[in-house]
Amino acid sequence: DAGVTQSPTHLIKTRGQQVTLRCSPKSGHDTVSWYQQALGQGPQFIFQYYEEEERQRGNFPDRFSGHQFPNYSSELNVNALLLGDSALYLCASSFLWKETNTGELFFGEGSRLTVL
Amino acid sequence: AQSVTQLDSQVPVFEEAPVELRCNYSSSVSVYLFWYVQYPNQGLQLLLKYLSGSTLVKGINGFEAEFNKSQTSFHLRKPSVHISDTAEYFCAVRSNFGNEKLTFGTGTRLTIIP
Repeated sequence: DAGVTQSPTHLIKTRGQQVTLRCSPKSGHDTVSWYQQALGQGPQFIFQYYEEEERQRGNFPDRFSGHQFPNYSSELNVNALLLGDSALYLCASSFLWKETNTGELFFGEGSRLTVL
Repeated sequence: AQSVTQLDSQVPVFEEAPVELRCNYSSSVSVYLFWYVQYPNQGLQLLLKYLSGSTLVKGINGFEAEFNKSQTSFHLRKPSVHISDTAEYFCAVRSNFGNEKLTFGTGTRLTIIP
């Protein structure tokens, strides 16, 4: 049973560029969440997708956007990159509904973005 | 809204000694509580979780944690640590309604001294 997979694992961009990160959820999961983990910090919630719509959003600017596809996979897009966007971006999957929700999120290994 | 405080940013412990990593949370609603571990250059792996029921929960790798509602704490313990336990440990909380976001603490770096 494949877990959460993310690509690419590492990438380097320059300020002002745009980046797209990809995530495939754990088999059977229908909800994808994205987190940003800056160096030495805990993960910070960016947003959550369910049924191809953004369901919740954290305190991140509109430069951060996402998408969920019919097969539940997801993309995170960041426009006009800033140096401060350098971080590990983590994707997590889960079930939405409480009846099938065991509570925890299942995380991928992340995409490490470096902005120069 | 919820918040998590991990008071110890770094904890050095001798091998085979016991360890406790502290976590306190704040929330106006009932919560689920989690401990995740992050090994170098890896994602997060669930150690254990408290959803309801017994306040003492056991997880993987010999870790356990106790939920204390009156003290709003969820401290992580292990009676005897191993070199392989060297990692970053994150406490997290979320509302027990629906599929709300996880709020993480800033993490505790556990270093095992041979």
